[in-house]
Amino acid sequence: QQQVKQSPQSLIVQKGGIPIINCAYENTAFDYFPWYQQFPGKGPALLIAIRPDVSEKKEGRFTISFNKSAKQFSLHIMDSQPGDSATYFCAANLMGNTGKLIFGQGTTLQVKP
Amino acid sequence: NAGVMQNPRHLVRRRGQEARLRCSPMKGHSHVYWYRQLPEEGLKFMVYLQKENIIDESGMPKERFSAEFPKEGPSILRIQQVVRGDSAAYFCASSPPGLAGGLRDEQFFGPGTRLTVL
Repeated sequence: QQQVKQSPQSLIVQKGGIPIINCAYENTAFDYFPWYQQFPGKGPALLIAIRPDVSEKKEGRFTISFNKSAKQFSLHIMDSQPGDSATYFCAANLMGNTGKLIFGQGTTLQVKP
Repeated sequence: NAGVMQNPRHLVRRRGQEARLRCSPMKGHSHVYWYRQLPEEGLKFMVYLQKENIIDESGMPKERFSAEFPKEGPSILRIQQVVRGDSAAYFCASSPPGLAGGLRDEQFFGPGTRLTVL
């Protein structure tokens, strides 16, 4: 019940395309859903995050769509660039004082020039 | 404003030795978290600490692993008698003070320590 399932495992798009990465969860006690971007040999960098009281959040070219009833959320990258090629992780945090982030398995994105 | 700092960046140990990983949180941050990442896998939570307190260690192996965040100085993740299965990237994250449900939920990660056990 504390899992976050992420798909696809890998994704290849052309420059300018809109890759979409999906995550699903079971535990309705999750109340914070961040996305992280990780380049090889680096630490994860916080991209954007959403809470269950909104259905969409946009920051620059990155958009999170959130479907509370389906317990799913997704990341869309508009006008993708080769520099966006990285591994993307969704995560979820339980309501309350715990700081434990539960991560999805990751999606490796390649944006071809 | 410097980010989360971790050292060493790379650490090589032989089986049976001890590994000490250090983490300095971002300035003003009072919450520290440790995660482990195995090759081709996501990050797994290990422990959450505040100054001089372990808040949640539900992800820590029961033996050989310990963590501390003293009043002064960096947080330390200590692995005693390392085995080959401990080879992984260990990441530290920090978050600002405050209540859950606010900015305190935002965790910022360091560059990691890559531990190799020979």
